[in-house]
Amino acid sequence: SQTIHQWPATLVQPVGSPLSLECTVEGTSNPNLYWYRQAAGRGLQLLFYSVGIGQISSEVPQNLSASRPQDRQFILSSKKLLLSDSGFYLCACSKSETQYFGPGTRLLVL
Amino acid sequence: QQQVKQSPQSLIVQKGGISIINCAYENTAFDYFPWYQQFPGKGPALLIAIRPDVSEKKEGRFTISFNKSAKQFSLHIMDSQPGDSATYFCAASKGDYKLSFGAGTTVTVRA
Repeated sequence: SQTIHQWPATLVQPVGSPLSLECTVEGTSNPNLYWYRQAAGRGLQLLFYSVGIGQISSEVPQNLSASRPQDRQFILSSKKLLLSDSGFYLCACSKSETQYFGPGTRLLVL
Repeated sequence: QQQVKQSPQSLIVQKGGISIINCAYENTAFDYFPWYQQFPGKGPALLIAIRPDVSEKKEGRFTISFNKSAKQFSLHIMDSQPGDSATYFCAASKGDYKLSFGAGTTVTVRA
């Protein structure tokens, strides 16, 4: 079965600084990959998803971007963080309808 | 626009009681309905899932009931335990491998 790694686990960044969150997947090949954001006490908002290397679909316009440089690597980036970018960022993967989530990265922008 | 509406937002149940969470959807193209359990600070974990050709699915103390004509489905947690205290999300998919999530229900089980 697949294992999803995310790092860092926690990140505190100043407004205007860049961001790079990484997600890697073990135990499967050519998965669909997803980035979600979860605000405190809220539901999951799909940010990006990818069906293959270099193929990224954006679900909502925002200050973030995503890249998939390798089959099992998914990166979430920003050039300049906003206060509203704070939240819990989750990476997920799937080979079918079922999505499996990573442990998440908690981002606090001050 | 939220495609899956979940209620209640939170509930409190005594140990040994039954927790019931309801979800409703509009898009009849949805054909896969999973439930996820999330503990604080952790990623959601798949709990149980159902397809529209089945009206009920049970796994241990967790049961999904599905009403296709009403476009509703629900999660029942029988004999609720303090370890079941978590946030539960329903979701739906229409075969494009993207999930539409409900807003979540925080369940608190009192000992």
